[in-house]
Formats: sequence, C-alpha cells, structure tokens
Amino acid sequence: SAVISQKPSRDICQRGTSLTIQCQVDSQVTMMFWYRQQPGQSLTLIATANQGSEATYESGFVIDKFPISRPNLTFSTLTVSNMSPEDSSIYLCSVLAGALSEQYFGPGTRLTVT
Amino acid sequence: AQSVTQLDSHVSVSEGTPVLLRCNYSSSYSPSLFWYVQHPNKGLQLLLKYTSAATLVKGINGFEAEFKKSETSFHLTKPSAHMSDAAEYFCVVSGPNAGKSTFGDGTTLTVKP
Repeated sequence: SAVISQKPSRDICQRGTSLTIQCQVDSQVTMMFWYRQQPGQSLTLIATANQGSEATYESGFVIDKFPISRPNLTFSTLTVSNMSPEDSSIYLCSVLAGALSEQYFGPGTRLTVT
Repeated sequence: AQSVTQLDSHVSVSEGTPVLLRCNYSSSYSPSLFWYVQHPNKGLQLLLKYTSAATLVKGINGFEAEFKKSETSFHLTKPSAHMSDAAEYFCVVSGPNAGKSTFGDGTTLTVKP
C-alpha cells in the first residue's frame, strides 16, 4: 500500500497569484499523477509526473499553467499559476504502488480562488 | 481510448433496501474497472476492482459488482443500504497505462431513514 500526504490541505488565494501543492508518498513509486476535481464534478487527470523528466499533460492542460516537479520517487509538486476563480477545485495526487500496481489517492488540496 | 458513463446522477433508496448504481464503459483494451466512494469532505476510498479475474467482484462494506463484457457494464450493488452509505460514488476505467484513469461523472446516493 501507499500513504500519501498533501500540503496544504486547503487554501484561499487571490486571483493572479500562484500556489504550489506538495505530494509526499511513504514509499518509492514509479508513477505519480495529478488530478483535479472541480466543485460538484468528477475527477480529471491533469498530468503524469515523470521522475527526472518533464510531466506529460492531458488535453486541455499546459505546463505554463500547471508546472509540475518530480525530483525523486517519493515527492512531487503541482503549481497552479496565475490563478482565477475557475481554478477553485480539489487537487489530488495519486500513485501506483504495491505488487499489483494499485492506484492510491491523496486526501486532496481544496483550493478556493477569490 | 476509454470512457465511462454513470447512468444515474442521483439515486435515492430507503435504508434496508437494495442499492443499484449503474455504470457502462468503453475501452479499446481489456479494461480494469473500479468503484470508488467519496464521503463529504473526505478522500476517495476504493470499494472494489475488476482486473480480468472473476467477473463478480466483492468489495468492502457489502458492495459487489459484476463485470459483463457483452453489455459493457460494471454495475455496483448492495443488498441492503445503510445510512452510512450515503456518499458520492465514482465508476472508473483504466487501460494498460494503469493510473491514467477515466472517472465517471459520479452518482450521489441518498439513503432515507
């Protein structure tokens, strides 16, 4: 299994600013992912965080808006840049771990942009 | 390509009655299918998963789901609803690139006393 922690758990930010969300896993994992859950909606994959190389972004998401770092096998950050109220969401870190490569999700970071 | 459709956005049942949450999927590959539950202001919890073994999958809290390839369905059931089952439920499909999961829009389950 994998235990994932995220910081901060929630934040309220002003438009135009940036917020960096941290994801820490208690074991080394190859695959890490970032998801977004907008209010009242389902989860959408933002990108795959690749260790030692640039993240792979899904359609509709770009590096300039959501830069991602993955310095090692247990840690990743997602930055939400130049925020607008439309960025108000829960951002979740996810990993594949264990012998069966099961997917685990972090508790999420609840972001409100005013 | 893969997609998942949860056929009901809201389901309301009385406590003690059966629960049925419907999910249809589409995948170019042999899919892995999951059901997650999300209680208000809580994280996602895995209820059960199908990964090409037995087609009837038993999960936690009395939930089970049956994979029906001919119907491309993976409906979630529970014989008797409990008040604590009230939550949002997500059907999820992933293909060979595990982790790149596609989530359904979710079904809100309400349990009436």
